[in-house]
Amino acid sequence: NAGVTQTPKFQVLKTGQSMTLQCAQDMNHNSMYWYRQDPGMGLRLIYYSASEGTTDKGEVPNGYNVSRLNKREFSLRLESAAPSQTSVYFCASSTQVPGTGELFFGEGSRLTVL
Amino acid sequence: SQQGEEDPQALSIQEGENATMNCSYKTSINNLQWYRQNSGRGLVHLILIRSNEREKHSGRLRVTLDTSKKSSSLLITASRAADTASYFCATDAGSARQLTFGSGTQLTVLP
Repeated sequence: NAGVTQTPKFQVLKTGQSMTLQCAQDMNHNSMYWYRQDPGMGLRLIYYSASEGTTDKGEVPNGYNVSRLNKREFSLRLESAAPSQTSVYFCASSTQVPGTGELFFGEGSRLTVL
Repeated sequence: SQQGEEDPQALSIQEGENATMNCSYKTSINNLQWYRQNSGRGLVHLILIRSNEREKHSGRLRVTLDTSKKSSSLLITASRAADTASYFCATDAGSARQLTFGSGTQLTVLP
C-alpha cells in the first residue's frame, strides 16, 4: 500500500520556468491538499480539494495552480517559477471534510528555483 | 498566519527521560492534532484531541488540551533515540476548512 506518492522528489528550476508536481493517493480519500514547508514557518496550505472536481485556495495560493484530475490525483503547477517558491512541497490526503481529520502525507518534493 | 505555536523551538534530552512540548493557539478550535516529522520525510499523524476532550493517550504519548488557556501539551514518556524528530501541532478552527500548522519543536533524544 503506497499511500501518498509525490513526483518528482527533487527539482531545480531557473526563474521563469514552469513545472508540475504530481501527487497520487491510493486510499480512496476524498480530500487532497498541497502544502509548502519553509524553515521556521511550519506548513502553509497552498490549495486543497474537498472532492473530485472542486478546488479551493489556501493561505498562500499566489503563483500556483492546481488540478484535481480524478479522485486519486491532485497536481500543483508553477507557471513561472520564482526564487521565493524554493521550498519543500507536501501533498496530503484525508477521508474527511477539509480541516477536520487526520492527514496522510507524501514524502515531499524539494524544489529549488535559481 | 499560523494558528498554533510550539514551545520550545528545540529540546534536547537523554534517552529514558520524558519530553514535553507545548502548543498555544489563538482562536476557538474543533480539534487539535499532533504530527511527527523525521528529517527529510513527510509528516506522520500521532494523535487528535477534540475540543470537548481534556486528555488523550496513545502508547507513550499523552496529550492534554486546555481550551480556556488555548493550549495543548504533548508528553512523550521514556523517550528513545528513535523519537528524535520535529513535532508539530495543527489546529482545526472549523469554518476555515483548513488545518493550520505551527512551526514545530525539534526534539533530539541523546542515546
